[in-house]
Amino acid sequence: AQSVTQPDIHITVSEGASLELRCNYSYGATPYLFWYVQSPGQGLQLLLKYFSGDTLVQGIKGFEAEFKRSQSSFNLRKPSVHWSDAAEYFCAVGVVSGYSTLTFGKGTMLLVSP
Amino acid sequence: EAGVAQSPRYKIIEKRQSVAFWCNPISGHATLYWYQQILGQGPKLLIQFQNNGVVDDSQLPKDRFSAERLKGVDSTLKIQPAKLEDSAVYLCASSNGTSGRGGVDEQFFGPGTRLTVL
Repeated sequence: AQSVTQPDIHITVSEGASLELRCNYSYGATPYLFWYVQSPGQGLQLLLKYFSGDTLVQGIKGFEAEFKRSQSSFNLRKPSVHWSDAAEYFCAVGVVSGYSTLTFGKGTMLLVSP
Repeated sequence: EAGVAQSPRYKIIEKRQSVAFWCNPISGHATLYWYQQILGQGPKLLIQFQNNGVVDDSQLPKDRFSAERLKGVDSTLKIQPAKLEDSAVYLCASSNGTSGRGGVDEQFFGPGTRLTVL
């Protein structure tokens, strides 16, 4: 069965500094990978997704992620964090077995300090 | 385009009571999902509908949880009777199925219903 590990429960970054959130997955075949963001009291919003092709994926709000098959990783990055980026970030792996499903990691809470 | 709608946004009940949540997906989306998100964890799929048929309910505690999707549009998730451990946010999501049988669709999420069981 597939699984997702987000090793960092909380991360604090200064405003303007760069950000990297880690995600490792376990799945036997080529995965479909997603990053979602959840602001307080809100549902999840898709930041970006990887299906195939270029391993560096651009998303919304200036985020990008890089798929590294050798490391089973799909880390999320942003060169300069804004205070409005404070939220919880979820990595997910999608699999297809007759129908498609998503398995989420436990999330990383991003705090942005002034 | 209107997003996924859920109601109520908040619900507080006592254990052993019943509760129901409602979801209206994005118009035209054939697939509807209910997730349970316990504090400090990621969303866990409870049930997935394709039109008005269930394609996956393997993680739904069927002794107390039930869900239906009438006419392939709106859906209701019910808990009867509720336990303390059911306290969570219940998220509804929908997708349009355009990736076909070989792909994974983007899911669009509603704001969720926060349930507190006392």
